[in-house]
Amino acid sequence: QVQLVESGGGVAQPGRPLRLSCAASGFTFRRNAMHWVRQAPGKGLEWLAVISSVGSNNYYADSVKGRFTISRDNSKNTLYLQMNSLRPEDTAVYYCARDGGDNPWSLNYWGQGTLVTVSS
Amino acid sequence: QSALTQPASVSGSPGQSITISCTGTSGDIGGYNYVSWYQQHPGKAPQLMIYEVFYRPSGVSHRFSGSKSGNTASLTISGLRTEDEADYYCSSYTGGSTLVFGGGTKLTVL
Repeated sequence: QVQLVESGGGVAQPGRPLRLSCAASGFTFRRNAMHWVRQAPGKGLEWLAVISSVGSNNYYADSVKGRFTISRDNSKNTLYLQMNSLRPEDTAVYYCARDGGDNPWSLNYWGQGTLVTVSS
Repeated sequence: QSALTQPASVSGSPGQSITISCTGTSGDIGGYNYVSWYQQHPGKAPQLMIYEVFYRPSGVSHRFSGSKSGNTASLTISGLRTEDEADYYCSSYTGGSTLVFGGGTKLTVL
């Protein structure tokens, strides 16, 4: 079965970097685009970024463009989110999600999320 | 990339039907059929309920249906059950290879 497991969350100081990972299993990772989505405490979902199946193209929400970088290692079945210059408003649960493939822009599998808290 | 507009809350009694609206613009909902709906129970990850406006993933109940008219998409849940009580989010492709979510709607089953 498809599994997505995020890791790397925790407490980070404002201005510091943090890298999240998402380990994928149960499907052919290299065939699907992948997304990152976050959810601030008590708030709604916010789409952050997408990366193509081979990693050659990536796109970002304006709110994180220039600070966050999405990447993937298909040899390790792992998705990453490098977050730089963290701000308190980046505090959220971060989810990785699989793109629907033939049904693009639908997120058909999600990880359980990893909590990032930005605080001094 | 402005968020799509959803009502903050809706409610219904068991067995009734409810509809949640999701309003965007011609640049997102009105321009593409890549509208999805997600259900999220407290403390859980979202689950895809509808994709490409009205298609249901395998395993999703037929009680859930989607539609679109102009710049507004809708999710209808018929035969409400207590387990349907959750937050619901719409999303739409916006062009430029980006995605946008709605603000979310809390469904209460009275």
